[in-house]
Amino acid sequence: NAGVTQTPKFQVLKTGQSMTLQCAQDMNHEYMSWYRQDPGMGLRLIHYSVGAGITDQGEVPNGYNVSRSTTEDFPLRLLSAAPSQTSVYFCASSSTNYGYTFGSGTRLTVV
Amino acid sequence: AQSVTQLGSHVSVSEGALVLLRCNYSSSVPPYLFWYVQYPNQGLQLLLKYTSAATLVKGINGFEAEFKKSETSFHLTKPSAHMSDAAEYFCAVSQRGTGANNLFFGTGTRLTVIP
Repeated sequence: NAGVTQTPKFQVLKTGQSMTLQCAQDMNHEYMSWYRQDPGMGLRLIHYSVGAGITDQGEVPNGYNVSRSTTEDFPLRLLSAAPSQTSVYFCASSSTNYGYTFGSGTRLTVV
Repeated sequence: AQSVTQLGSHVSVSEGALVLLRCNYSSSVPPYLFWYVQYPNQGLQLLLKYTSAATLVKGINGFEAEFKKSETSFHLTKPSAHMSDAAEYFCAVSQRGTGANNLFFGTGTRLTVIP
């Protein structure tokens, strides 16, 4: 059981570039979410999804886009990268029975 | 709305001493509470969770936490610190359940264990 898989693990972008952070889970969880982690600020919710075809904004959604076409995948898109988006990004999935499972993270640097 | 406050961004203890990491929550409805640990350059690992059963919750690696409604607290303790406990610890709250609902995190406490 792979759990939650995030790719890539590291990425460097130039300001203005776009990219997609991938997240896949193989546990058939209904709920998936994206967090960013910044020093001294804990983890903050970017976007979440309660099932395929349903997404909603979290605390810090600006500059990010998501979609959920399948139960397994929940990609996070950066539309036009900015230095303020330099962070570590975590994807998580959960169901009412199993709690939250986190991926290993993507470390993004925007220069 | 829910939130958690972790008192102390850095805590240092000697090896073998008691570990106490503080977490206070705010929630308009009965909360579900979690402690996660993050080792350097790794993801988050669940230590323990409170889901309205027993108020004293035992987790992995010898950690436990007690839910105190009157104090709105969920402090994490371990009787005897080990060098391998050095990590960052996050308290988190969820409103409706352990699964399909949003998880709100505190700002974290970095634990240093002194040999």
